[in-house]
Amino acid sequence: DVKVTQSSRYLVKRTGEKVFLECVQDMDHENMFWYRQDPGLGLRLIYFSYDVKMKEKGDIPEGYSVSREKKERFSLILESASTNQTSMYLCASSVQGGPGANVLTFGAGSRLTVL
Amino acid sequence: QKEVEQDPGPLSVPEGAIVSLNCTYSNSAFQYFMWYRQYSRKGPELLMYTYSSGNKEDGRFTAQVDKSSKYISLFIRDSQPSDSATYLCAMSVYNQGGKLIFGQGTELSVKP
Repeated sequence: DVKVTQSSRYLVKRTGEKVFLECVQDMDHENMFWYRQDPGLGLRLIYFSYDVKMKEKGDIPEGYSVSREKKERFSLILESASTNQTSMYLCASSVQGGPGANVLTFGAGSRLTVL
Repeated sequence: QKEVEQDPGPLSVPEGAIVSLNCTYSNSAFQYFMWYRQYSRKGPELLMYTYSSGNKEDGRFTAQVDKSSKYISLFIRDSQPSDSATYLCAMSVYNQGGKLIFGQGTELSVKP
């Protein structure tokens, strides 16, 4: 019954490495999102996408980029990882338009540690 | 000041207690109000969803929105150990579906 799959649950990377976080959804949703979750800060939106090859910056896009080549797949890229990017990363998807767009289905998260 | 403020807790209550979780916000343009529940090592899942002001009840859960005070609440009646989780309030403005602003989350523990 898995609907949003994040391929890596735990990653440990070194400062300066390029990091790819992959997310796949099987619900044919148009919208896909990347959030990061930090203690005391809640969830903050990094990037989102309303359609294939389309992306928009969220509230904290600095240091990140994204790719959406297929409708079901949304990748988050850290071009040069830094220690302040150590966090839990959550991918989500929703339908496009109307109140249903706020009903996000989340993946289980990817916990990234940058040393 | 954050757009959405939520007491992070932790909050510990005995089984059967009534739990009250709250969020305040500053953006009067918010129209959609949600509560997400997140169990340990899982992603958040939608628990309650209301539009504009008013109350909504679903089993043991009641969500209230007071737009005049910019205040939302989630009440849990007859709390159970299975309710132990982090509860996140979330809000969005009209026509920006999916771009949610989350509170910090409140960690709740219900003791048997």
